[in-house]
Amino acid sequence: GEDVEQSLFLSVREGDSSVINCTYTDSSSTYLYWYKQEPGAGLQLLTYIFSNMDMKQDQRLTVLLNKKDKHLSLRIADTQTGDSAIYFCAETPDADSSYKLIFGSGTRLLVRP
Amino acid sequence: GAGVSQTPSNKVTEKGKYVELRCDPISGHTALYWYRQSLGQGPEFLIYFQGTGAADDSGLPNDRFFAVRPEGSVSTLKIQRTERGDSAVYLCASSPGAAGDEQYFGPGTRLTVT
Repeated sequence: GEDVEQSLFLSVREGDSSVINCTYTDSSSTYLYWYKQEPGAGLQLLTYIFSNMDMKQDQRLTVLLNKKDKHLSLRIADTQTGDSAIYFCAETPDADSSYKLIFGSGTRLLVRP
Repeated sequence: GAGVSQTPSNKVTEKGKYVELRCDPISGHTALYWYRQSLGQGPEFLIYFQGTGAADDSGLPNDRFFAVRPEGSVSTLKIQRTERGDSAVYLCASSPGAAGDEQYFGPGTRLTVT
């Protein structure tokens, strides 16, 4: 079945880079996503990558996909205190179920001043 | 413009009671989704509507859970005979049309069953 795993917690100093990792099991995943969740706010889509891509960069965010190892990472450059939140990796299992997001348990990022 | 809204934001109910949770999607969005997020977990898919019909309800945990979207806009998630294990944040999302479009999430309804 589908499973998405993430480490629970990451603490970095303001200005450093953060790297959040995710592994998934479904080899037919079409899209992989990173969402941000802040207290009291809805999930916000940060970025996504199509499964035939290796890398995607969007301003301070870089997504790397290793399809062979089923490993996805999100790098946040120059991390700010406003980046403190829970980050969820998610996949869509296959083209026929592209509406169904399968989420990991989330990584809590704490940015220390 | 207005995002996805959900009411109530918090709901406390006693075990065995019936509850309804409401979702107002972004105007014009034809697709609507419900997810459930338990404490310390990521959201889990419950049901997907395309227009008025449930295209996939495979995530509903049992027959105590039911959702409707009679006019293709507002949706209501209904839970009968609530159990303590139903306590969670229920998230609604909507997207413009085709499956695979970006899903825009509401802030959720926190349901607590005592």
